[in-house]
Amino acid sequence: GNSVTQMEGPVTLSEEAFLTINCTYTATGYPSLFWYVQYPGEGLQLLLKATKADDKGSNKGFEATYRKETTSFHLEKGSVQVSDSAVYFCALRTNAGKSTFGDGTTLTVKP
Amino acid sequence: NAGVTQTPKFQVLKTGQSMTLQCAQDMNHEYMSWYRQDPGMGLRLIHYSVGAGITDQGEVPNGYNVSRSTTEDFPLRLLSAAPSQTSVYFCASSYVGERGRSGANVLTFGAGSRLTVL
Repeated sequence: GNSVTQMEGPVTLSEEAFLTINCTYTATGYPSLFWYVQYPGEGLQLLLKATKADDKGSNKGFEATYRKETTSFHLEKGSVQVSDSAVYFCALRTNAGKSTFGDGTTLTVKP
Repeated sequence: NAGVTQTPKFQVLKTGQSMTLQCAQDMNHEYMSWYRQDPGMGLRLIHYSVGAGITDQGEVPNGYNVSRSTTEDFPLRLLSAAPSQTSVYFCASSYVGERGRSGANVLTFGAGSRLTVL
């Protein structure tokens, strides 16, 4: 079956530090890949996505590149802010329609 | 657009009671789904639907029922609540289709329903 493995957290960084959250996946076929973010007390919302190999998704300074050869979709940001503190989920979706999520990585950014 | 609306936001049940979590979306999404979120376990798919009249089981369907009589609504029923069903429940919906279609396969989530079973 499909699976998503995320870097374990929690992750604590100082403001303006560089962020990487690792994500690797196992899937049959050619999935679309996503990063969702969950702020405290809210539902998940899309952060960025990539639908085919070598695509780069980007939003709000975050980036991730779909690497088919390493089955990875690592999330990066060059300079984090306190407002980026949240839980980040890597996910995949195949044409069959079901989405598979990683366990989530909690990021705390300190001033 | 209201997006995905879940009710209630909070609910406390006693073991053995039944209840329904409501989910409605106004985006004409074909696909709707229910997840539960537990600490350290990410999101696990309970049931999903690809259109009115069509439902299927996800990863953890036991103890839950769903139906999809309209495109807009996808209620989740707990038949006989158990403490193991204490969780936060999320409803999510999306278009289904071509990868290039704008918004296709991107899930829109509700705000969640926190359920406690005593």
